Amino acid sequence: DVKVTQSSRYLVKRTGEKVFLECVQDMDHENMFWYRQDPGLGLRLIYFSYDVKMKEKGDIPEGYSVSREKKERFSLILESASTNQTSMYLCASNQEAEGNTIYFGEGSWLTVV
Amino acid sequence: QKEVEQNSGPLSVPEGAIASLNCTYSDRGSQSFFWYRQYSGKSPELIMFIYSNGDKEDGRFTAQLNKASQYVSLLIRDSQPSDSATYLCAATTGGFKTIFGAGTRLFVKA
Repeated sequence: DVKVTQSSRYLVKRTGEKVFLECVQDMDHENMFWYRQDPGLGLRLIYFSYDVKMKEKGDIPEGYSVSREKKERFSLILESASTNQTSMYLCASNQEAEGNTIYFGEGSWLTVV
Repeated sequence: QKEVEQNSGPLSVPEGAIASLNCTYSDRGSQSFFWYRQYSGKSPELIMFIYSNGDKEDGRFTAQLNKASQYVSLLIRDSQPSDSATYLCAATTGGFKTIFGAGTRLFVKA
């Protein structure tokens, strides 16, 4: 089974703090994604990466950055957290050779106060 | 803007009935289609995927795809209270670009 692990499940941060959300996948997938999910807005893509050190902006990249130094690890960074970044963040991965099925991590609930 | 549209619901069905969930997509280049189930507070989990026109069955679930009408559906037979969740439809044109619908909430009444 594919496993996507998000190390931080629940975080509470203060406005202006720098926040790191870490994600690791164990299936050697090429592609990794960060989404946020908010009630009524569905899943929105923040950033994705198709290779080590490669990254592409998704639909809502503002206020976020990412890092992919190793194939299995994809980090989401909030340089200066704001209250409108309170959300559930989902990391995911897939592989084109596996039919593009996206596999999600368990999610990270971030509250910015 | 390429979109995947779903009725937000809630869709309420009695236990044992067939639940029918529908989805339309705007990008004719979409190749693969997915149904995910998401329980409250949890991450989405894959139920099934479909690539070809027609029906695909997996246990109590049947996915239906009609590319000419740009329409995907999920039927859940013998619905159980444990099926109560939000169901997300997704379409992809390739490895990077998967578009998710906002989801349909399903309630199965015991």
